[in-house]
Amino acid sequence: GAGVSQTPSNKVTEKGKYVELRCDPISGHTALYWYRQSLGQGPEFLIYFQGTGAADDSGLPNDRFFAVRPEGSVSTLKIQRTERGDSAVYLCASSRPGLKNNEQFFGPGTRLTVL
Amino acid sequence: EDQVTQSPEALRLQEGESSSLNCSYTVSGLRGLFWYRQDPGKGPEFLFTLYSAGEEKEKERLKATLTKKESFLHITAPKPEDSATYLCAVRMIGSSNTGKLIFGQGTTLQVKP
Repeated sequence: GAGVSQTPSNKVTEKGKYVELRCDPISGHTALYWYRQSLGQGPEFLIYFQGTGAADDSGLPNDRFFAVRPEGSVSTLKIQRTERGDSAVYLCASSRPGLKNNEQFFGPGTRLTVL
Repeated sequence: EDQVTQSPEALRLQEGESSSLNCSYTVSGLRGLFWYRQDPGKGPEFLFTLYSAGEEKEKERLKATLTKKESFLHITAPKPEDSATYLCAVRMIGSSNTGKLIFGQGTTLQVKP
């Protein structure tokens, strides 16, 4: 079946602009995660959704970052007043709680470049 | 502070030259340790989950092992197609309601023919 999809694959924006990144999880996966990966580093947790609600947003770096999942499926990560330091690959993952491994399946990521 | 450290950062092997990657962790309580493979421009791909010290998992040329302080990913007779970045991640007790993973920085493996 289809895996996790993310759009756009690449996004170039100017400092101070607003961006939205979209994640479409695997059908039936109720858990959704956003991570951020800088060059040469491992992914860093941002936020976790169980259904429609954000169960853990402890990884969001500041209030310029916000994420929603209004219908419990697609999620959008929103970044206001972008800064050059926001440049990274933003990864989305989904999982189906209840599986023994509870493994997270990752999308290909959105590469965000802030000029 | 909860931390995951991988070594080496980069590893170059000749095809058929076996080796091991290390993942050491300091967390308050381990619920699971995960290994992922990441190819350039792609998201991480799940390989293994280990839950308790002494556990081992195998898949083709890869074998993952776990102790109370570290995990090893053993690569036996690697092939060029094994070239990738290998990521280790931990899920802590207490994060059972979120499943949040803490990742190491990865080991980039290059296998030359």
